Amino acid sequence: QKEVEQNSGPLSVPEGAIASLNCTYSDRGSQSFFWYRQYSGKSPELIMSIYSNGDKEDGRFTAQLNKASQYVSLLIRDSQPSDSATYLCAVIGPMDSSYKLIFGSGTRLLVRP
Amino acid sequence: DTGVSQDPRHKITKRGQNVTFRCDPISEHNRLYWYRQTLGQGPEFLTYFQNEAQLEKSRLLSDRFSAERPKGSFSTLEIQRTEQGDSAMYLCASSPKRGNGNEQFFGPGTRLTVL
Repeated sequence: QKEVEQNSGPLSVPEGAIASLNCTYSDRGSQSFFWYRQYSGKSPELIMSIYSNGDKEDGRFTAQLNKASQYVSLLIRDSQPSDSATYLCAVIGPMDSSYKLIFGSGTRLLVRP
Repeated sequence: DTGVSQDPRHKITKRGQNVTFRCDPISEHNRLYWYRQTLGQGPEFLTYFQNEAQLEKSRLLSDRFSAERPKGSFSTLEIQRTEQGDSAMYLCASSPKRGNGNEQFFGPGTRLTVL
């Protein structure tokens, strides 16, 4: 079992819709959770971080964390074609003093005009 | 631009040659990370520096790989006797010690192609 799992997609949504991206992780004590956006051929760009259970909103993005179920999700409201990218979920494992990121393989999002 | 910078952006080399990549982190960020990313996968951790000290290395980092961060500023990653399997995007990230100390910011990456 991979430490961080994501559906590879592609997830296709029409412009203006809500895109819902999900991620599960295996280490129950994981401490920090991140969503990165990566355009083709570019490097990952941090878009959200979340550390405690519940929702965290930033503009059109909402991150949701449920530690009991070991999942973290990203909602993108009013999706735009420019949101089309691969979204990477990353986790910092329990008791990890280096705070290194463990990534999933990413979910490709396509927003249809 | 005060973000993480990496040089070169692209490197094509022949199998068996040595290559060196440079990373300049965001100033005042004392943590520096190297990751490697292949097509269709998420980045994989290679090594971590806090200031000038290399505190962790992945078992992905074979003896052919070495990294340094002299004086706790820029870092270099050297690959000796490159192999075709080394072809990947090499990413550098930095994070601050205080504040949102767990957030890592990536540079543009160095894409390595080994022929």
